[in-house]
Amino acid sequence: DVKVTQSSRYLVKRTGEKVFLECVQDMDHENMFWYRQDPGLGLRLIYFSYDVKMKEKGDIPEGYSVSREKKERFSLILESASTNQTSMYLCASSGPLTDTEAFFGQGTRLTVV
Amino acid sequence: TQLLEQSPQFLSIQEGENLTVYCNSSSVFSSLQWYRQEPGEGPVLLVTVVTGGEVKKLKRLTFQFGDARKDSSLHITAAQPGDTGLYLCAGVQPGAGSYQLTFGKGTKLSVIP
Repeated sequence: DVKVTQSSRYLVKRTGEKVFLECVQDMDHENMFWYRQDPGLGLRLIYFSYDVKMKEKGDIPEGYSVSREKKERFSLILESASTNQTSMYLCASSGPLTDTEAFFGQGTRLTVV
Repeated sequence: TQLLEQSPQFLSIQEGENLTVYCNSSSVFSSLQWYRQEPGEGPVLLVTVVTGGEVKKLKRLTFQFGDARKDSSLHITAAQPGDTGLYLCAGVQPGAGSYQLTFGKGTKLSVIP
């Protein structure tokens, strides 16, 4: 059974903390993504990676960075968490074929207080 | 400007009723995907449509891709409480990498027993 696993379901952090969200996939997928999902705004792409050590900015990269040191792992980093980064964060992966399915993790609900 | 417009945003219906949700754009897509997301979980792919005019059926769900490949619809016959969830459409634009999915904001469906 294919799987994308996010390290935490729920996370509460303080303003100014450095936050790491981890995502691991077991499908040998080249592509990995980080989205945030907010009511009324839908899924917005933060960063994506199409290969190890490669990364591309999505639509809302400000305040975030990413790391992809191994093919199966894609980390999202909030350098200095702020309250407006309170959100649901979704990691996804997809294979190399055109129009392929995106497999999502269960999401991490991050609250910054 | 949202590239993919979904309507309606919210839908609450009685069990047994039929419904249609729409995903519209002024842009052409090489393919379009529909996902369902249940509360507290990540989205899961329902179907991918690729050819203009294509119709796909998944039990009581019927998906159609517009002839011009700019829009899509999802029709549910005899809705059941298990159909409750957030329905998301996502498109791949021609020339874009297979990883460049654009999501609509979603239609939140509630089916009342």
